[in-house]
Formats: sequence, structure tokens, C-alpha cells
Amino acid sequence: AQSVTQLGSHVSVSEGALVLLRCNYSSSVPPYLFWYVQYPNQGLQLLLKYTTGATLVKGINGFEAEFKKSETSFHLTKPSAHMSDAAEYFCAVSSISSGSARQLTFGSGTQLTVLP
Amino acid sequence: GAGVSQTPSNKVTEKGKYVELRCDPISGHTALYWYRQSLGQGPEFLIYFQGTGAADDSGLPNDRFFAVRPEGSVSTLKIQRTERGDSAVYLCASSSQANTEAFFGQGTRLTVV
Repeated sequence: AQSVTQLGSHVSVSEGALVLLRCNYSSSVPPYLFWYVQYPNQGLQLLLKYTTGATLVKGINGFEAEFKKSETSFHLTKPSAHMSDAAEYFCAVSSISSGSARQLTFGSGTQLTVLP
Repeated sequence: GAGVSQTPSNKVTEKGKYVELRCDPISGHTALYWYRQSLGQGPEFLIYFQGTGAADDSGLPNDRFFAVRPEGSVSTLKIQRTERGDSAVYLCASSSQANTEAFFGQGTRLTVV
């Protein structure tokens, strides 16, 4: 069984400020972890992913996330927020299901607002 | 195609009616997924196809939901006797193989009135 908890359904930051979106996961097997972004009326876009290897993962648009096994966390950060970062962000965990299908389990999402 | 295409983008139907939602995956992608995203929630897995066969349908909520992919490309999600609780955005995704990055379509917003 696997699950994802995103702390804070809404986060507001000022333009230029640090972005921190929190994600904690639960998985009975070594997890693959993902962050997706969803802009209004658009599909989910992959920001970054952790599979194996380096625990600090860099993604698109200046975002990065660090896998911390001891804390079961995969928080998303960006040093300086831009107005175009305003969107909904989803953390997801993946593992092989019974049908050998790699299905994703998503968190409930965090709506990021960037204030001018 | 350039990306995953879903049609229609919006569908309004009356309670009890039958609906079909279509997904055109990226050309050549063998894996295809359906997810449902209810208001204020993250997407929830429904079903996964590898080629023409449903490799995992454990997420389908009940027997009113059915999906097909007869030629291993386009998939149709079918919902019988729709209920108001079926209202959600239905997302389709495809990937070149089962364990590679999945690309999502824009979704079909289904409203049951």
C-alpha cells in the first residue's frame, strides 16, 4: 500500500521568495517519487522525479526536490518564485501494482499563489 | 500526435445516461492509463492498458465503468447509468513503456446533472 500527504492545500509566496511545498509518502517498497504541475485547463506536466541514485533531484523551471528516506519526505523547492509558477502541484508515489503496472498514487495537491 | 488528446473536453449529461470518453495517446506509446480527478483531489488511478489488454483495472469503482483499447492505440472509457458522483475530470496518460514517464492529456470534464 502507498499513500501521499501534501501539507497545505494552499500556499502563498511573494515573487522572488522561496517556494517550499511539502510532501510525505508512505510506501511498503522502495518508492519512485514524482512532482507534477497542473496549470489551469492543462494536463499534468512532470516537474521532476526520483527513482534511484542521487537524492537531490533537479527538474524543470528551476525546481528541485530532495528524497529523505529517514523522514519519508520529498519536498519541492525553488529559490525564487516567479509569477508564472502559480499553479497546482501534485506529489505522487509509484510502485509496481499486482498487474505489473506502474500506477501513480497522487496527493491531494497544493495550490501555489505568487503575490506581486 | 504531438501529445495525448482527449475528447470531448467537456461533457454534460443527465443522470442515468451512458457516456463515452475518448483518449488518443502519443503515437507509438504502448502503455495507457486512465485517472479520475474529483474536485479538490489528486488524480486517482482507474485502469492501465499494455497494448490492447487491460493489465490492471483495480481502480475502476464499480461495474458501471468499462474501458477498451481494441487496436492498442485509442482508448474509450465508458460509463453506464451515470450518477452525479461520477462528475469529475477524467485524465488519460500514455507512456512508451510501462515504467517510463507518463504524459497526460488535458482531461475531459464530465458533469452529471
